[in-house]
Amino acid sequence: EADIYQTPRYLVIGTGKKITLECSQTMGHDKMYWYQQDPGMELHLIHYSYGVNSTEKGDLSSESTVSRIRTEHFPLTLESARPSHTSQYLCASSGELATGATGELFFGEGSRLTVL
Amino acid sequence: GDSVTQMEGPVTLSEEAFLTINCTYTATGYPSLFWYVQYPGEGLQLLLKATKADDKGSNKGFEATYRKETTSFHLEKGSVQVSDSAVYFCALSEAGGFKTIFGAGTRLFVKA
Repeated sequence: EADIYQTPRYLVIGTGKKITLECSQTMGHDKMYWYQQDPGMELHLIHYSYGVNSTEKGDLSSESTVSRIRTEHFPLTLESARPSHTSQYLCASSGELATGATGELFFGEGSRLTVL
Repeated sequence: GDSVTQMEGPVTLSEEAFLTINCTYTATGYPSLFWYVQYPGEGLQLLLKATKADDKGSNKGFEATYRKETTSFHLEKGSVQVSDSAVYFCALSEAGGFKTIFGAGTRLFVKA
C-alpha cells in the first residue's frame, strides 16, 4: 500500500478563495510531482521537485504554486481560485531505479477541486 | 522529445475475453517502461514494469514485453474480469530523467 496521502479528497469552494492542497509521503523519496487530470483522463504535469528547496514548473502552465520545505511535504496553493481550476489534482513521489531512471511513481488518491 | 502513444478507448469486452491494449513509445535512450492502472475514484497505481529490452513485466494476470525493435510495450490479459474495469496508462522514464511520460490513457469496460 502506498504511503502518500492527500487532503482534502474533495473540496468545493467559491471563486476568489485561497486553497492549499496537502501532500505528504513517508517513503523518504526525493522526487515529488503534482499532476492535473482532466475529465478526458489525460495527466498533465504541473509541478515537480528534486528535493528540499527545489521546485520546477511542469509541462502544463498552472497558476498554482508549490513549496518543498521538508522532504515529506509538497503542498500546492492557489491564491485565488477560479472555475477554470476545477479538476482532479494528483500528487506522486518516486525513488530511482538501478538503471538511473525515475522509478515507480506512488500516487495519492487525489484531490477533486470544484470552484463555483 | 520522448512520447507515448496508446490505443484510444473506450474498450468494451465481455468477461473472460482476451485483452490487448497497444502502446508504442519514442525515446532517445533506453527508457524504463510502465503500465499504471486507475480504478474509479482513486489515484494511479503501478500494474507492471520492465527496465530493459526483452524484459516481461507481469502482475495480476496482466503481461507486457519490452520490445525495443518495435518500440512497443503492449498490455495483455488472457481472461478479463469485471473488476479489471479501469483506466490503463502506459508510461516511460529515461535514465537520468526526472519525469515520467504518460500516454493518454485507455478506459476499459468489462461486462458480466
